[in-house]
Amino acid sequence: EPEVTQTPSHQVTQMGQEVILRCVPISNHLYFYWYRQILGQKVEFLVSFYNNEISEKSEIFDDQFSVERPDGSNFTLKIRSTKLEDSAMYFCASTKDRTGELFFGEGSRLTVL
Amino acid sequence: DAKTTQPPSMDCAEGRAANLPCNHSTISGNEYVYWYRQIHSQGPQYIIHGLKNNETNEMASLIITEDRKSSTLILPHATLRDTAVYYCIVRVWGAGTASKLTFGTGTRLQVTL
Repeated sequence: EPEVTQTPSHQVTQMGQEVILRCVPISNHLYFYWYRQILGQKVEFLVSFYNNEISEKSEIFDDQFSVERPDGSNFTLKIRSTKLEDSAMYFCASTKDRTGELFFGEGSRLTVL
Repeated sequence: DAKTTQPPSMDCAEGRAANLPCNHSTISGNEYVYWYRQIHSQGPQYIIHGLKNNETNEMASLIITEDRKSSTLILPHATLRDTAVYYCIVRVWGAGTASKLTFGTGTRLQVTL
């Protein structure tokens, strides 16, 4: 069964460092998403991406965040200068169309020290 | 987004049916009801969705009331592996853009021996 894969599974970084989280969505999917979940809290929407541009972003997705689809398979989330409060599990998701179910990856745990 | 209300937790004996309720009284005509679950800290997993008709797949059944103000997810024969947080979500659908999911706190289902 096709799946969304994410790397790394866990990253530890120092405050102020740049982090790139990588995702390989399911190959025939066209819509891509990042969500995050701070420990013990809700899963929160960050950003959606379609046709090589951001479709929608939340208030969390400020200028420190960016997304990119550098080639035909990868979808990345960059945090330019990490803060302690960026520590969370980050989930990538993809879907074939606007009404289809989202397929989530297993997540990348980011720990900012 | 239409708001959903779910009980915070439920217990179910293994082998019995688990019936998870959800209220979504402000749902609008073109919004679907989606169910996802999250096992421990893994990525959310799609279960089922529906608009107004009852739906069934290999994982579960979804019963939506005629007025669409509430629904019930039914796991016909719950197993220990079904222990998870179950989210009832009304899908935001923006014309021309990728839609997103807004997760609440869900129902923590504990399946016991």
